[in-house]
Amino acid sequence: DTEVTQTPKHLVMGMTNKKSLKCEQHMGHRAMYWYKQKAKKPPELMFVYSYEKLSINESVPSRFSPECPNSSLLNLHLHALQPEDSALYLCASSLGLAGRYNEQFFGPGTRLTVL
Amino acid sequence: KNQVEQSPQSLIILEGKNCTLQCNYTVSPFSNLRWYKQDTGRGPVSLTIMTFSENTKSNGRYTATLDADTKQSSLHITASQLSDSASYICVVSGGSGGSYIPTFGRGTSLIVHP
Repeated sequence: DTEVTQTPKHLVMGMTNKKSLKCEQHMGHRAMYWYKQKAKKPPELMFVYSYEKLSINESVPSRFSPECPNSSLLNLHLHALQPEDSALYLCASSLGLAGRYNEQFFGPGTRLTVL
Repeated sequence: KNQVEQSPQSLIILEGKNCTLQCNYTVSPFSNLRWYKQDTGRGPVSLTIMTFSENTKSNGRYTATLDADTKQSSLHITASQLSDSASYICVVSGGSGGSYIPTFGRGTSLIVHP
């Protein structure tokens, strides 16, 4: 298995809803990432997990809560989002963090719309 | 501050023609440089990855070059096809103090017309 999967593909939620995005990989990668991407912009890093521990939080608002239950899974819990949070949310994984090992493999993304 | 600049911002070419996209970076120390292809609304797909010692890498009709001295890279697409229409993103890893977080360019939007 050489891919990163993300569910759901599309998500529409209200500002009071609680939802979760899921990401899974079975390539034995030990680093996993969440990115947010707005239209016609490059992906913006949100969180990095290394060996199931949160390594980097790029000053993301607390309404986004990441979770890494095991080495293959990465979740992003969403609560009380704002319309400006609507974007494509990308998950990525890599063998490690340093050097050539940080070549990232991306999932197809979840298109999130906040009403 | 680590930066990756790509040019042109957008490019329109006819099917069958060749094109070259540019990437300049200020990331130092340098670890690796990757080119990704991203279709609208989809995740980026890796085309090539190059480390300091590699100055050219091919993947089918895609050929990437790297000049680590001038901190420049290019992506050459040969005999373009309609399916090449996408955004091409240059990503550089490295940085000071052992930083490994990749820096993304803003991408070049390529449109291939029949």
